[in-house]
Amino acid sequence: DAGVTQSPTHLIKTRGQHVTLRCSPISGHKSVSWYQQVLGQGPQFIFQYYEKEERGRGNFPDRFSARQFPNYSSELNVNALLLGDSALYLCASSWTLEGGQPQHFGDGTRLSIL
Amino acid sequence: DQQVKQNSPSLSVQEGRISILNCDYTNSMFDYFLWYKKYPAEGPTFLISISSIKDKNEDGRFTVFLNKSAKHLSLHIVPSQPGDSAVYFCAAKYGAGNNRKLIWGLGTSLAVNP
Repeated sequence: DAGVTQSPTHLIKTRGQHVTLRCSPISGHKSVSWYQQVLGQGPQFIFQYYEKEERGRGNFPDRFSARQFPNYSSELNVNALLLGDSALYLCASSWTLEGGQPQHFGDGTRLSIL
Repeated sequence: DQQVKQNSPSLSVQEGRISILNCDYTNSMFDYFLWYKKYPAEGPTFLISISSIKDKNEDGRFTVFLNKSAKHLSLHIVPSQPGDSAVYFCAAKYGAGNNRKLIWGLGTSLAVNP
């Protein structure tokens, strides 16, 4: 079975631009979460979706938005990019969010802002 | 406010010896704790978890111990192998139903020397 896939793997943008990152969860998984990881830190929670509904939002500005599609894939959108948005963006999926179900991660999208 | 703390940024051990990675937490609402391993340029990989009602969980070379009164958990790797060299993240879950959140520590970089 394919794992969590993210596209693109790398992306270079300039300040003020917009970016869309994509994620396909493991087949059968209904939950997708997005994280931002900067060097030397743990992943920071951005959004969480379950069954196409937003189930949580981290402490990120409104420039960040996301959605989950009927096939459970997801997009993360970031508007008006800032230099500080440069990071590894990770997508994780799980069958459910309940209990101790672990999330399974993709390899991330490395976003660089010039 | 860091609710999940990994106070050792790095750890170096000899191949064949025990690696002990530590994690402290502050939120009494956490009910599951998970350990992930991350290699460079890859997403985190789930290793092992423990429920807050347990004090030990073992899976092959990996054992996690939970001391709830001290709000402390540790991951033991025995015997350590060079392939275990990676960044290890402690993460904790809380919340109800499908509104659960996963909070991450900053990670500990483990180097296993041949």
